[in-house]
Amino acid sequence: GAVVSQHPSWVICKSGTSVKIECRSLDFQATTMFWYRQFPKQSLMLMATSNEGSKATYEQGVEKDKFLINHASLTLSTLTVTSAHPEDSSFYICSAPSRTSGNYEQYFGPGTRLTVT
Amino acid sequence: EDKVVQSPLSLVVHEGDTVTLNCSYEVTNFRSLLWYKQEKKAPTFLFMLTSSGIEKKSGRLSSILDKKELFSILNITATQTGDSAVYLCAVATGTASKLTFGTGTRLQVTL
Repeated sequence: GAVVSQHPSWVICKSGTSVKIECRSLDFQATTMFWYRQFPKQSLMLMATSNEGSKATYEQGVEKDKFLINHASLTLSTLTVTSAHPEDSSFYICSAPSRTSGNYEQYFGPGTRLTVT
Repeated sequence: EDKVVQSPLSLVVHEGDTVTLNCSYEVTNFRSLLWYKQEKKAPTFLFMLTSSGIEKKSGRLSSILDKKELFSILNITATQTGDSAVYLCAVATGTASKLTFGTGTRLQVTL
């Protein structure tokens, strides 16, 4: 199946700094990628849809100025958490759809665990 | 607003038991329903269901979708401790298959 990578797998940063997370589709092209956030013992919550060559679409309640998304190429989307605070500590996961047999299957990256101190 | 509800929220069973996990949904522009298993990292794919009434099987796991009643079940027979995980149900909608996840069912299999 298709492979999606994320980097870094974990990061610790100080409050007020910015952190960039990369999501790459390794063996297929993805015009769309999705960014999710998962707090402990909760389900995945969609944050935004990243669109290659255009602006991201953010879900209700997600601040677009705080979570900057850039989808610069067909294989790379980045999420930058700006001015991070402890409440932004979470597990961030990206996914990219790849079409098989007429249906889109979502391939998930391994996730990035962000801890803000 | 798209909605996916899973039940039960958590479940503890003994090794060898059979379990049934439930997922119901209310969405617009349905494309498919997916089941994932999540242990410590990102979810791993189990099944994708698009048609009603066709059971999908993989070893001791099976799943079926009912598009009329808007639900799906995931069955695990002869459970093992390695089946302990959170099982997530998600529904894909729209042209890019945006996923809406349920809350998950936390399954614990004890000896």
